[in-house]
Amino acid sequence: GESVGLHLPTLSVQEGDNSIINCAYSNSASDYFIWYKQESGKGPQFIIDIRSNMDKRQGQRVTVLLNKTVKHLSLQIAATQPGDSAVYFCAETPGRRALTFGSGTRLQVQP
Amino acid sequence: EPEVTQTPSHQVTQMGQEVILRCVPISNHLYFYWYRQILGQKVEFLVSFYNNEISEKSEIFDDQFSVERPDGSNFTLKIRSTKLEDSAMYFCASSLLAGGLNEQFFGPGTRLTVL
Repeated sequence: GESVGLHLPTLSVQEGDNSIINCAYSNSASDYFIWYKQESGKGPQFIIDIRSNMDKRQGQRVTVLLNKTVKHLSLQIAATQPGDSAVYFCAETPGRRALTFGSGTRLQVQP
Repeated sequence: EPEVTQTPSHQVTQMGQEVILRCVPISNHLYFYWYRQILGQKVEFLVSFYNNEISEKSEIFDDQFSVERPDGSNFTLKIRSTKLEDSAMYFCASSLLAGGLNEQFFGPGTRLTVL
């Protein structure tokens, strides 16, 4: 069936380093992708989104890259800080439909 | 900053009992959602709601589940007869426009524990 998944369950980085979190999706009809951050005991928090007519979008310290050819999405966090420690989920949707979430990657930032 | 709120934060119930989880979406939003997250697993879509009716639902959202917008501010999820496997975090979300292509704002969740 259609699915969204993550390659790495846990990513550990040093404070100040750049982090890259990856996500593979299989629904070729998806045209909207979002990265969410979830801290312990909280709901998902929107980080950045990208539409399928783009291959890169930048926010504050974050960049999302979309490669539709290989159905791959990545989140880059520049100068990672301890406050970035959380679980990161990618999510996708084919148009005005419900979000399908990936299984999550835990980012651990070492001081 | 406007936010989605949910009550209670934690609900403990006996198997077979009915529970109602409550949400107050962001006031000018038109689309409402329920998701759940079993401990350690990914967030799963349950149902979306617009214009006082269900617009989409997943396989999880069976006859034991129902949603309602009883007034102009609340959005509820009812589980008629809870099962052990219903234990999870339940997240409410809302968006100004249809979910795809528009940001969904999530509440802090209600942890449901079924004993």
